[in-house]
Amino acid sequence: SQKIEQNSEALNIQEGKTATLTCNYTNYSPAYLQWYRQDPGRGPVFLLLIRENEKEKRKERLKVTFDTTLKQSLFHITASQPADSATYLCALGPPGGGNKLTFGTGTQLKVEL
Amino acid sequence: GAVVSQHPSRVICKSGTSVKIECRSLDFQATTMFWYRQFPKQSLMLMATSNEGSKATYEQGVEKDKFLINHASLTLSTLTVTSAHPEDSSFYICSAIPGQYTGELFFGEGSRLTVL
Repeated sequence: SQKIEQNSEALNIQEGKTATLTCNYTNYSPAYLQWYRQDPGRGPVFLLLIRENEKEKRKERLKVTFDTTLKQSLFHITASQPADSATYLCALGPPGGGNKLTFGTGTQLKVEL
Repeated sequence: GAVVSQHPSRVICKSGTSVKIECRSLDFQATTMFWYRQFPKQSLMLMATSNEGSKATYEQGVEKDKFLINHASLTLSTLTVTSAHPEDSSFYICSAIPGQYTGELFFGEGSRLTVL
């Protein structure tokens, strides 16, 4: 069965450093992959989408890579700030497209002063 | 733009009662809405897909008689947890797609249900 893995342990980094979060998947060929931010007790907020034929996407301090051979996406936040502290979820779109996403469990990021 | 509002944000009820959660798209029309539940430190689990004017499509293992979903208009979908039990306590979240799907889902703020 399909499986999405995100590091369950919290990632603690210092302000100003680059945070890198990993999303690995198995038994799946997503047409696209998304990253969301979720704050405690709130719904997720969309950050970036990357399609299966794209290698990299950027948006301000955010960068996403997508390696369909390794079945992995990396999510980078450069010049991290305490306000970036949150849980980050990756979500896979179904093969061939469509709107039904499958979510990972998320990785909690803590940016310390 | 693209704001989705959920109400109530928190609800506490007694076992055996029914609870209704509303999901509204405030500034767009949503032909499709999704309902999820999320347990602490776990992923969002899709419960059902709600299409305006038609019956919801439930995921495997989700009891449709337990979790009633109604999508009566292009801006409102409701989830009713019937005869709630403590094991139904969870964080329920809706999301909506504005018109043609571009890849982005817009989520509500979530509703925390506690069944005593």
